[in-house]
Amino acid sequence: GENVGLHLPTLSVQEGDNSIINCAYSNSASDYFIWYKQESGKGPQFIIDIRSNMDKRQGQRVTVLLNKTVKHLSLQIAATQPGDSAVYFCAENRASGAGSYQLTFGKGTKLSVIP
Amino acid sequence: NAGVTQTPKFQVLKTGQSMTLQCAQDMNHEYMSWYRQDPGMGLRLIHYSVGAGITDQGEVPNGYNVSRSTTEDFPLRLLSAAPSQTSVYFCASTEGVQSYGYTFGSGTRLTVV
Repeated sequence: GENVGLHLPTLSVQEGDNSIINCAYSNSASDYFIWYKQESGKGPQFIIDIRSNMDKRQGQRVTVLLNKTVKHLSLQIAATQPGDSAVYFCAENRASGAGSYQLTFGKGTKLSVIP
Repeated sequence: NAGVTQTPKFQVLKTGQSMTLQCAQDMNHEYMSWYRQDPGMGLRLIHYSVGAGITDQGEVPNGYNVSRSTTEDFPLRLLSAAPSQTSVYFCASTEGVQSYGYTFGSGTRLTVV
């Protein structure tokens, strides 16, 4: 079946190092991808997005890379800080028929930053 | 601008009871959706709406009803609660489903006993 998943469920990173969170997707028709950060007890928070006609997009301390050939998405966080500790989800937006779209989430990666 | 507001934040129901989870947004977003999140899992889409008067089913719609009488509100109804519906529920909205990130509410933690 089609899914959006993550290679690693947990990731521990030393403060100041760079973090890389990976995501695999299988629906080649997906044209829009989003990374969310979810802190404990809160709703998902938008981090960065990328459209399928791009392979890289940068934000403040974050970069998203999209490799359509292998259907792989990654989130890079530069100079990881304790406040970056959270669960990170990738999500793909794909058509569900009749002009509608649905956002499908992966299971998430828990990032822990070691002070 | 409050964003997406969900009420209540916590709720305990007995099996068979019914209730409505409220969701309101003040951003004039056309698209709204409901997700549930279970431990160790990502969010799964329950129902969504592309505008007032239009709703459709997501991945896990059974046991839930929705309506969209106004642009601002998108309530989720549990007709007869079951323990399997114990979860955290999130409402989200977006200006454009193809180009914009979704804004999520803070969630409703529901326990069915």
